[in-house]
Amino acid sequence: GAVVSQHPSRVICKSGTSVKIECRSLDFQATTMFWYRQFPKKSLMLMATSNEGSKATYEQGVEKDKFLINHASLTLSTLTVTSAHPEDSSFYICSACRDRVNEQFFGPGTRLTVL
Amino acid sequence: GEDVEQSLFLSVREGDSSVINCTYTDSSSTYLYWYKQEPGAGLQLLTYIFSNMDMKQDQRLTVLLNKKDKHLSLRIADTQTGDSAIYFCAESPIGGTSYGKLTFGQGTILTVHP
Repeated sequence: GAVVSQHPSRVICKSGTSVKIECRSLDFQATTMFWYRQFPKKSLMLMATSNEGSKATYEQGVEKDKFLINHASLTLSTLTVTSAHPEDSSFYICSACRDRVNEQFFGPGTRLTVL
Repeated sequence: GEDVEQSLFLSVREGDSSVINCTYTDSSSTYLYWYKQEPGAGLQLLTYIFSNMDMKQDQRLTVLLNKKDKHLSLRIADTQTGDSAIYFCAESPIGGTSYGKLTFGQGTILTVHP
């Protein structure tokens, strides 16, 4: 149990377009999901906390109008990178909390490349 | 804010033990985690320990916590080539506005040689 999926696993887009990444908890309900960004050979940086039915909480320095997060149901959160630029190219990883917030299960990640 | 530091590289021979070290700064009650990341993949939770514990063992994995020095280590016994990956130490406070938020170390690249 506790499987988290992400879709797509890899996306290449042109500069100026928007890209939506989905994060799903497949076999459990997740009231809280987190979105992280990972640069090459670097650690994960928390971008935002997504709570079902309410607005996401963004970390300092993360533009909420640039990275739109929607947590529409207990099994789905989406991250939309709006008007993507090459500097948005990165590995985006989501995590979902099953029973307790201290137990996070991670998705396999989405590699975004903006040309 | 909280800070988590790790050594960046570790190279061991197959069959030997690996010890990956981590230090953290959070002085409140916290959970401390070890995650494994294989190339191009997400993170796999290996084990976690509460900050009032000294040790936790799970099969080949042993976590040791020195609360005074805020030093955490992960020992992998009988290291195999399949253990080659990046290992992240992370901490998450209990309670407060940062409850549940993970702060990660830089990751330690473990290379296991045959």
